[in-house]
Amino acid sequence: GEDVEQSLFLSVREGDSSVINCTYTDSSSTYLYWYKQEPGAGLQLLTYIFSNMDMKQDQRLTVLLNKKDKHLSLRIADTQTGDSAIYFCAENPTGGSYIPTFGRGTSLIVHP
Amino acid sequence: ETGVTQSPTHLIKTRGQQVTLRCSSQSGHNTVSWYQQALGQGPQFIFQYYREEENGRGNFPPRFSGLQFPNYSSELNVNALELDDSALYLCASSGGGGLAGHEQYFGPGTRLTVT
Repeated sequence: GEDVEQSLFLSVREGDSSVINCTYTDSSSTYLYWYKQEPGAGLQLLTYIFSNMDMKQDQRLTVLLNKKDKHLSLRIADTQTGDSAIYFCAENPTGGSYIPTFGRGTSLIVHP
Repeated sequence: ETGVTQSPTHLIKTRGQQVTLRCSSQSGHNTVSWYQQALGQGPQFIFQYYREEENGRGNFPPRFSGLQFPNYSSELNVNALELDDSALYLCASSGGGGLAGHEQYFGPGTRLTVT
C-alpha cells in the first residue's frame, strides 16, 4: 500500500471550513507538508509542521498532527473559490536527504 | 529572487526516442530533485542532486539519468522512451541553508507525451 494516504475528493461551499485529512506510515518523519497544485501548474508549498509540534496556524490554514495515530490534517478557514485545487500531503523521513513521499492528493472543489 | 524554471513546458516524443528536460534552481539553492507525476497521482521521486553529485534515487530504471551543473541547474535525460513515461516532470530546488534546507520549491513542470 501507499506510504501516505488521502481521500481523493472534498466538496465544500464558499465561506465554509475545509478539512483535508492524511495518514502516513513512517513514525520517524521529521517534517510533514501540505502542498497545493492548481491545474497545469507545479506544486506550491503551503505549510509544514515539525514532528515535535501538535498544531501550527498560518493565517487561514491550521495544521494538526496526531503522531500516535500518524494522522495529519489541514483546515482551511473561510474557503474561497480560489482554494479549489489538489492538496498533497507529504512526509519527510528522518535523514539528511530531505526527500518527501507524497500522497495521491485530495481534489478540493469549492462551490459558490 | 528568481523562482524555479523548467523547459520546455510541453513536449511530444515517439516511443524509443530520447529526451532532455531542463531546470534552473531558485537563487541560493544547491539541491535539485526531480519527480514524475502521472495523471491522477502524486509526484514520484526520481533522483536528487546536491552540489553536482547524485544524492538519492527512487525506483526508476537506469534509462532515467541526470546531471547538475556548477550553477546548480539540472537536466533530466530519459532514453528509450516508453508510453508509460508520459507524465508531468517536476523539478524542485532546495537547500538555502540552515533549517530552511528541507523546503522544496517546485517549478511549473514539463508535460511529456510519448506516442
